[in-house]
Amino acid sequence: EVQVVESGGGLVQPGGSLRLSCAASGFDFRSYWMSWVRQAPGKGLEWVAYINEDGSEKYFVDSVKGRFAISRDNVKNLLYLQMNTLRAEDTAVYYCAREHSSGWRHVDYWGRGTLVTVSS
Amino acid sequence: QLVLTQSPSASASLGVSVKLTCTLSSGHSDYAIAWHQQQPEKGPRYLMSLNSDGSYFKGDGIPDRFSGSSSGGERYLTISSLQSEDEADYYCQTWGAGIRVFGGGTKLTVL
Repeated sequence: EVQVVESGGGLVQPGGSLRLSCAASGFDFRSYWMSWVRQAPGKGLEWVAYINEDGSEKYFVDSVKGRFAISRDNVKNLLYLQMNTLRAEDTAVYYCAREHSSGWRHVDYWGRGTLVTVSS
Repeated sequence: QLVLTQSPSASASLGVSVKLTCTLSSGHSDYAIAWHQQQPEKGPRYLMSLNSDGSYFKGDGIPDRFSGSSSGGERYLTISSLQSEDEADYYCQTWGAGIRVFGGGTKLTVL
């Protein structure tokens, strides 16, 4: 069974940092592109970043460029999102998501999410 | 600019069919999309992938009541024999090199 499980969310002050982790199982993690998607309270889904299978290609939504970093460990089957210089508007549930293969780069499996709250 | 537009809300009665629309921005009418469902207080769930020619394939365990179709730059999700558990937010998603885009979502109310 395909599973992706996020961890690392919590309360952080504006300007602070947080690292999210996503543990993947049930599929060949090193063969799949992965994404982070977030959802602010009462709002819709917003793509944050994606990384290709070997980590050589990474892209971010404009609002987090220069502040967030995405990485992966294909030995431990882990995906990471390092979030720096956090702002109140980064408050959201962050979802780890597997992207479909063969050029269809949409999400086909979602985690349950981890809540990040940026507040003083 | 790659943009997906969805109506904010829709409603239909139990047992009938409803068709939700996702519109691709000008110049992107040949893009494929995916549909996702998010029930209240839950994480999203992938429903299906939908091509510009109307062909689609569904995710694991998605009932036959869910189907997709396309016309020009519009992508549709049809839910037949509506059930109470279909009350949810529905999002479309597309992608390009260096970008992933979600529509604003449609909140479906089952009457």
